[in-house]
Amino acid sequence: KQEVTQIPAALSVPEGENLVLNCSFTDSAIYNLQWFRQDPGKGLTSLLLIQSSQREQTSGRLNASLDKSSGRSTLYIAASQPGDSATYLCAPETSGSRLTFGEGTQLTVNP
Amino acid sequence: GAGVSQTPSNKVTEKGKYVELRCDPISGHTALYWYRQSLGQGPEFLIYFQGTGAADDSGLPNDRFFAVRPEGSVSTLKIQRTERGDSAVYLCASPTPETQYFGPGTRLLVL
Repeated sequence: KQEVTQIPAALSVPEGENLVLNCSFTDSAIYNLQWFRQDPGKGLTSLLLIQSSQREQTSGRLNASLDKSSGRSTLYIAASQPGDSATYLCAPETSGSRLTFGEGTQLTVNP
Repeated sequence: GAGVSQTPSNKVTEKGKYVELRCDPISGHTALYWYRQSLGQGPEFLIYFQGTGAADDSGLPNDRFFAVRPEGSVSTLKIQRTERGDSAVYLCASPTPETQYFGPGTRLLVL
């Protein structure tokens, strides 16, 4: 059974800082891995998807890396802004297009 | 439609009652997923539809939970004899090969 751990559980930083969110998973037989953002009381928004054959993906100020063999992924956020405040969820995809989510990292970026 | 919609947005019920939660996926999407998210946790997989049939229902916690998708579009998640532990946000997702589009969820509270 896939288990996903995200560290840290919560993070509070001043505006402008670069930061790294960590995700580890136990079953390396994944098809891809996604990072999602969740705002309070809202659904999930997909940020980045990394295929199992890829090492990283970039979108704007976001960069996600994947080390499938070691079961790790990181999400790097450059020049953080207050609008980045949300919960970030990591979800590797295994057979049947099934996503397994971590508990998330709750990020607060202070002005 | 342009996105995934879920109704109702909030549902309060009493222990032992029956509830139905509805998901309208993105038009034309053949696959549909249900997830459950408890407070402070990541979403947990419940069931996956491909067309009208349940391709994987291994995430349903017990036989009080049932889901249907009779015409391959709208899906209804049904919970019988609700318990307080069923209180959570129930999320529906409509996937493409690139990502999964999530609805805003139904927040269920069982008193």
